[in-house]
Amino acid sequence: GAGVSQSPSNKVTEKGKDVELRCDPISGHTALYWYRQSLGQGLEFLIYFQGNSAPDKSGLPSDRFSAERTGGSVSTLTIQRTQQEDSAVYLCASSLAPPGSADTQYFGPGTRLTVL
Amino acid sequence: DQQVKQNSPSLSVQEGRISILNCDYTNSMFDYFLWYKKYPAEGPTFLISISSIKDKNEDGRFTVFLNKSAKHLSLHIVPSQPGDSAVYFCAARLNTDKLIFGTGTRLQVFP
Repeated sequence: GAGVSQSPSNKVTEKGKDVELRCDPISGHTALYWYRQSLGQGLEFLIYFQGNSAPDKSGLPSDRFSAERTGGSVSTLTIQRTQQEDSAVYLCASSLAPPGSADTQYFGPGTRLTVL
Repeated sequence: DQQVKQNSPSLSVQEGRISILNCDYTNSMFDYFLWYKKYPAEGPTFLISISSIKDKNEDGRFTVFLNKSAKHLSLHIVPSQPGDSAVYFCAARLNTDKLIFGTGTRLQVFP
């Protein structure tokens, strides 16, 4: 079966523009996560969706960042008024896990965002 | 404040030898630890995990050791193979499904 897919694979934008990054999780996975990896840094948690519960947005770095998950499947991460420090690889992951379990998260290939 | 630390950004090991990747953490409430492996231009892939109630988990060439008193985690790969060359991330979970990752260690296995 297909893994987690993300689009676009690369995005170059100008400072101040809005961008949308898309994630298609593995079919049937109820949990979806967004992370980002800046140059020389580890993976930084951004947001977590689990089923119909309210998302855990505790990792979003500013109110310019938002994400939604439609129909419990596809998710879009939106960054408004992009800044150069937003440049990073944005990774999406999904898992079957109900809360509290330790099920594996499966990652997509990421979207490399470059803000000029 | 980095709760999960991988202090060695890189490691170089000869093929056939043991690779030991280290990870330190600060929060004693972490209940699960995982290692992920990442090749360039790909997302991380799960490698091996260990519950905080155990001190060792083995899967083929990969063994993870947990020393809770020292808040230290290590991944042993033996024998190392060139295909093991990748970036390895240590991750810890805190009672939710949110993982906190280290900064990664780049392993290079040379012939």
